[in-house]
Amino acid sequence: DAGITQSPRYKITETGRQVTLMCHQTWSHSYMFWYRQDLGHGLRLIYYSAAADITDKGEVPDGYVVSRSKTENFPLTLESATRSQTSVYFCASRGGLAGTYEQYFGPGTRLTVT
Amino acid sequence: QKEVEQNSGPLSVPEGAIASLNCTYSDRVSQSFFWYRQYSGKSPELIMSIYSNGDKEDGRFTAQLNKASQYVSLLIRDSQPSDSATYLCAVNSGGYQKVTFGTGTKLQVIP
Repeated sequence: DAGITQSPRYKITETGRQVTLMCHQTWSHSYMFWYRQDLGHGLRLIYYSAAADITDKGEVPDGYVVSRSKTENFPLTLESATRSQTSVYFCASRGGLAGTYEQYFGPGTRLTVT
Repeated sequence: QKEVEQNSGPLSVPEGAIASLNCTYSDRVSQSFFWYRQYSGKSPELIMSIYSNGDKEDGRFTAQLNKASQYVSLLIRDSQPSDSATYLCAVNSGGYQKVTFGTGTKLQVIP
């Protein structure tokens, strides 16, 4: 199906484990983003990517790693999960047309770190 | 001061009334403004974008932008119970890919 998908949708992991959240989009959008959403903080940008092999930090990058070897995929890795990383994670994408900034979100991954 | 501010609500309106949601932003160079709707447990869904001062209408939704006052609003006419959700205001500052989101206003439409 066309659009943006995330997997897994739900994940429970233990402190210290490595976790990778997947994001896949079929629109060939240039830009992709990872956000976390927490009560009282709203959506906060973790990392973004302007194109394959181009990534940059957002507002809250510590403890996370991203890569983008293909335009359609943008995985987010928690190298050593901590309880403070319990959150809902959203991937988003947007096209590359100059002056347009509409972002479209995936369904989200609810991550619990015990 | 937060970059994008919204009243958290809840804002309660009766069915059929006009719901008015407000948002202020701090960065004067902001150029693009968005409203997202987020149902509980779901992802944000883009409903309106506005780039120029004035009003932009799309069905029952009207976005209003006043850059001089650094203020953007969303009006929902003929509110329906299905409009009950949290509405997120988002602002992009020119020259950077970052879109900053407000924490959202929860809207409740009472049948």
